[in-house]
Amino acid sequence: QSALTQPASVSGSPGQSITISCTGTSSDVGGYNYVSWYQQHPGKAPKLMIYDVSNRPSGVSNRFSGSKSGNTASLTISGLQAEDEADYYCSSYTSSGTRVFGGGTKLTVL
Amino acid sequence: EVQLVESGGGLVQPGGSLRLSCAASGFTFSSYRMNWVRQAPGKGLEWVSYISSGSSTKYYADSVKGRFTISRDNAQNSLYLQMNSLRDEDTAVYYCARDVDGKYSHDYWGPGTLVTVSS
Repeated sequence: QSALTQPASVSGSPGQSITISCTGTSSDVGGYNYVSWYQQHPGKAPKLMIYDVSNRPSGVSNRFSGSKSGNTASLTISGLQAEDEADYYCSSYTSSGTRVFGGGTKLTVL
Repeated sequence: EVQLVESGGGLVQPGGSLRLSCAASGFTFSSYRMNWVRQAPGKGLEWVSYISSGSSTKYYADSVKGRFTISRDNAQNSLYLQMNSLRDEDTAVYYCARDVDGKYSHDYWGPGTLVTVSS
């Protein structure tokens, strides 16, 4: 159950687009279309932003989008806003029936 | 309104035990799969355990297998995590999280309860 690999940090200016990658294996990310993305602000519980690779829950801005290619999933945030500054985590279902999170990526809006 | 509220956290010595609870409201608890997720201070999220809606299926992270037990009481709308043989590295905020209906994502989370393992 090794954690999925995410960059430790990314940054962008307001209005720009950024992409956060999430790399796993064929036993998790690559094997199933069950990748999720969560946003977490300091001191708060995580919030679901993307499920099943590319689906947005009701109420989540369409500036957030997800995709997957092979063992790597990606979260793209377009039209970056100050409120997007947060930690982002990917998660995947695994072949063992368990779940695994990525190490998290700190997004800084310059 | 869906609400999940954890309780039972606190300070415990290494080797000790603690039982966490999660009270659910605002939805048909018995129809949803549930999970525990934890976050050590200043660290990332770690999935801990899963239980199916009827308790027939349970999964655990390798880091807690054999020490933690997940359970639920659908009549009481409650989720539990029995934690035994606690270690320093179990220190974390513990969240209960509901699975999206039929999916493998967590759509609702509680505010979390802090467990501190220290002598």
